[in-house]
Amino acid sequence: AQKITQTQPGMFVQEKEAVTLDCTYDTSDPSYGLFWYKQPSSGEMIFLIYQGSYDQQNATEGRYSLNFQKARKSANLVISASQLGDSAMYFCAMRVEGSQGNLIFGKGTKLSVKP
Amino acid sequence: DTEVTQTPKHLVMGMTNKKSLKCEQHMGHRAMYWYKQKAKKPPELMFVYSYEKLSINESVPSRFSPECPNSSLLNLHLHALQPEDSALYLCASSRGLAAYTGELFFGEGSRLTVL
Repeated sequence: AQKITQTQPGMFVQEKEAVTLDCTYDTSDPSYGLFWYKQPSSGEMIFLIYQGSYDQQNATEGRYSLNFQKARKSANLVISASQLGDSAMYFCAMRVEGSQGNLIFGKGTKLSVKP
Repeated sequence: DTEVTQTPKHLVMGMTNKKSLKCEQHMGHRAMYWYKQKAKKPPELMFVYSYEKLSINESVPSRFSPECPNSSLLNLHLHALQPEDSALYLCASSRGLAAYTGELFFGEGSRLTVL
């Protein structure tokens, strides 16, 4: 069975500092994709970053980077230079080959950025 | 601006009403999804359409009826709903069902309240 685990229900970070949001995953399928989404209070799910299971390098998108450790089955999101607008719920998610496209979500981490 | 458009953004309906949620994308994506999200929970998959054919129905009650009239449109018809069906309904699209086809693009959601 596929599963995503986010163990941090809530996190606080000071503005301009970096923060790491944890994510571990479980699948026996060798082909999968890992995703991070941001959901502000308005409700929209905003795609942040993607890591494929066969990618050799960690993904980076602007201030977002994904620390992919395949042997540990972890895919932590690092946000550098936090901004007040980063305050939101963050979901780690996974798509597994053969799962008909379904995106499996973790429970989420609520990030609050303090001024 | 989101490239997946959902209407209406808010809907209040009685248990005997019939209403529809609409979703539209013009990115040429061939897979479209309906997710249901309760407060403080991750999204849960309801339906997946691939090339306008229903691919997944996650044991959703028949009071929810999906429809994909063409590759750009996805509807969710609602009838005889229960108060516990009150939630944020998210539509999403992707290039395909395979994990390597990348992320799902989400709309802003339709917030449904059933009285």
